[in-house]
Amino acid sequence: AQKITQTQPGMFVQEKEAVTLDCTYDTSDPSYGLFWYKQPSSGEMIFLIYQGSYDQQNATEGRYSLNFQKARKSANLVISASQLGDSAMYFCAMREALNNAGNMLTFGGGTRLMVKP
Amino acid sequence: GAVVSQHPSRVICKSGTSVKIECRSLDFQATTMFWYRQFPKQSLMLMATSNEGSKATYEQGVEKDKFLINHASLTLSTLTVTSAHPEDSSFYICSAREYSGAGYGYTFGSGTRLTVV
Repeated sequence: AQKITQTQPGMFVQEKEAVTLDCTYDTSDPSYGLFWYKQPSSGEMIFLIYQGSYDQQNATEGRYSLNFQKARKSANLVISASQLGDSAMYFCAMREALNNAGNMLTFGGGTRLMVKP
Repeated sequence: GAVVSQHPSRVICKSGTSVKIECRSLDFQATTMFWYRQFPKQSLMLMATSNEGSKATYEQGVEKDKFLINHASLTLSTLTVTSAHPEDSSFYICSAREYSGAGYGYTFGSGTRLTVV
């Protein structure tokens, strides 16, 4: 089974509007972390936001916020006031604490976001 | 913040030759680095986990004799694609893991686009 699922391969959003990128995850580990990265066409992976499984509040970083619904195992990324520069691939990733000796990240398939002027 | 420098950013090589890709953590010590491969419009696929001073751990299906990984110091990991063939053409990207009081963070290099002709 997929550990990280991003069901939206591509999305359009109008400039200045908010957009939600979906991410669901599957783990039996009580301790885990969820990450979102942005990958523009140049290829680098830019860290956006992090949510720990024990964090009581949803993470926020500037225009980015994470809608963390633990019981539903979802960690959706919300981008407010979209800008043209937000057009990129977005990846959700998870790090599990158990059965993960290397503390590696598992990535979802990604969502391509296109911001329309 | 943490910076990982990856070189070269682009390389074109002839079939049968070897190519070395370097990944350096500039302002922190990275005992663990990860090497990924990414095909166009796909997610990152973990190839191997590189630990300083020890042998790399390869993911299933990754040929360790073809993709040689060396992590001889706390700031440098290298990936050598030996006897490259056109099917090895891809985007390769490294990530260094660092630990802070807030937990693990993962900083990515800018990636290397390899074209084998």
